Amino acid sequence: SQQGEEDPQALSIQEGENATMNCSYKTSINNLQWYRQNSGRGLVHLILIRSNEREKHSGRLRVTLDTSKKSSSLLITASRAADTASYFCATDRGSTLGRLYFGRGTQLTVWP
Amino acid sequence: GAGVSQSPRYKVAKRGQDVALRCDPISGHVSLFWYQQALGQGPEFLTYFQNEAQLDKSGLPSDRFFAERPEGSVSTLKIQRTQQEDSAVYLCASSLQGLQRHQPQHFGDGTRLSIL
Repeated sequence: SQQGEEDPQALSIQEGENATMNCSYKTSINNLQWYRQNSGRGLVHLILIRSNEREKHSGRLRVTLDTSKKSSSLLITASRAADTASYFCATDRGSTLGRLYFGRGTQLTVWP
Repeated sequence: GAGVSQSPRYKVAKRGQDVALRCDPISGHVSLFWYQQALGQGPEFLTYFQNEAQLDKSGLPSDRFFAERPEGSVSTLKIQRTQQEDSAVYLCASSLQGLQRHQPQHFGDGTRLSIL
């Protein structure tokens, strides 16, 4: 069963604009991860944020985590056409077995 | 270094045939995962190996699905008597450690399986 719920399901913006995607989940977690998937390809890991962290940055990416609201957001600043992809959040539901529970993803389209 | 490699990239089979999907994880990675991704959905967990031991197979949808990793490196996912609902992308992922929190998973490009 799906764990995270990303919104919006689809997002369409112009190059240079910022893109914000949200993720909600239902259980306790050790960490939350964001992945990107280009069409026809596998998932690429973007950022992992631990449950005791509130914000994390990596290049143009900024992830926040609010465990009290069981939600996370992914912000991509100054978007580029190459950022066009599906973005998924995934959690571990507090397990150490390693399996991830993914949401349905947000399809981001960045127009040049 | 080389990433996770999956083969074949595409597989078309007739309903009722058996198929075998291969995954070569990143060298030295202890953990290996199989996921199934339906069109427009996120990946759904199938099974997990730590080295050669299959520690979790709770996601396998039926006894027609079987996975192995006999030497703790290459893994094969086998589907017997395929059905149309088995059509999906099958993703393999590996991670460096076993039974550890806070690890990213490294995915292959998947095998797109179509059952006619």
